[in-house]
Amino acid sequence: DTGVSQNPRHKITKRGQNVTFRCDPISEHNRLYWYRQTLGQGPEFLTYFQNEAQLEKSRLLSDRFSAERPKGSFSTLEIQRTEQGDSAMYLCASSSGQYQETQYFGPGTRLLVL
Amino acid sequence: AQSVTQLGSHVSVSEGALVLLRCNYSSSVPPYLFWYVQYPNQGLQLLLKYTSAATLVKGINGFEAEFKKSETSFHLTKPSAHMSDAAEYFCAVSPNTGTASKLTFGTGTRLQVTL
Repeated sequence: DTGVSQNPRHKITKRGQNVTFRCDPISEHNRLYWYRQTLGQGPEFLTYFQNEAQLEKSRLLSDRFSAERPKGSFSTLEIQRTEQGDSAMYLCASSSGQYQETQYFGPGTRLLVL
Repeated sequence: AQSVTQLGSHVSVSEGALVLLRCNYSSSVPPYLFWYVQYPNQGLQLLLKYTSAATLVKGINGFEAEFKKSETSFHLTKPSAHMSDAAEYFCAVSPNTGTASKLTFGTGTRLQVTL
C-alpha cells in the first residue's frame, strides 16, 4: 500500500495556459475526491467519483475545470485558461466506500499561476 | 448545511504543556467529525474520527477528542505537547449517512510548540 500519490507536486504556469494534474488512489479504493486549499484556509470540496462516475460537483468547479476518472482508477483534474485565482494546493483523497470510511489524502499539487 | 468553526487560528504552547484545539460544529443531526493534521507542504493525515460510537475518541500520537452534543463541540486535546506536534490542525464534518461523503473543513489552527 503506497498511499495516494499526486503528480506533479508543483506546477508553475502562466495565466491562460491549461494544466492537468493526476491522482492515483490507494488500490481498490472506489471513491476519489478532489479538494482545493488556498493559503490560510481549510480544503474545500470540488468533486468526487464513485468508480468512474462523477457523482457530485461543487459550485466552485467552474466550466474551466474538468475532472475524469477513466476505468475507475486514476483521476485527472484539468484547468483550462488558468487565472491567478486558481493558484492553490489541489488535494486528492480516496476511500473504500465502506461504512464509516476514512478519506486518505495525497501530498497535493501546488499550482502557481503567474 | 453543515459547518465547523475552529476558534483560534494560532495556538502556542510550551513543550510538555496541555494542547487544546477547539472545534464547534453546526448540524441539524449529529454528524461524523474528524481531526486531520497537515505538516508543511504535505497532505492531510487523519488523527481521529467520531462516527456515533464512543464519545471519547482516541487517535494517533497521543491525541484524543470528546464529542459533546450539548455543546456541539469536538475539541482536540493532548496531555503533553511535543515539538513534533507543531503543524496545522483541521477539524472537519461530514453527513452521518452511513457512508462518508464530502468533508467540510474548518479554517485550521496552527499549533506552535516552544521550548
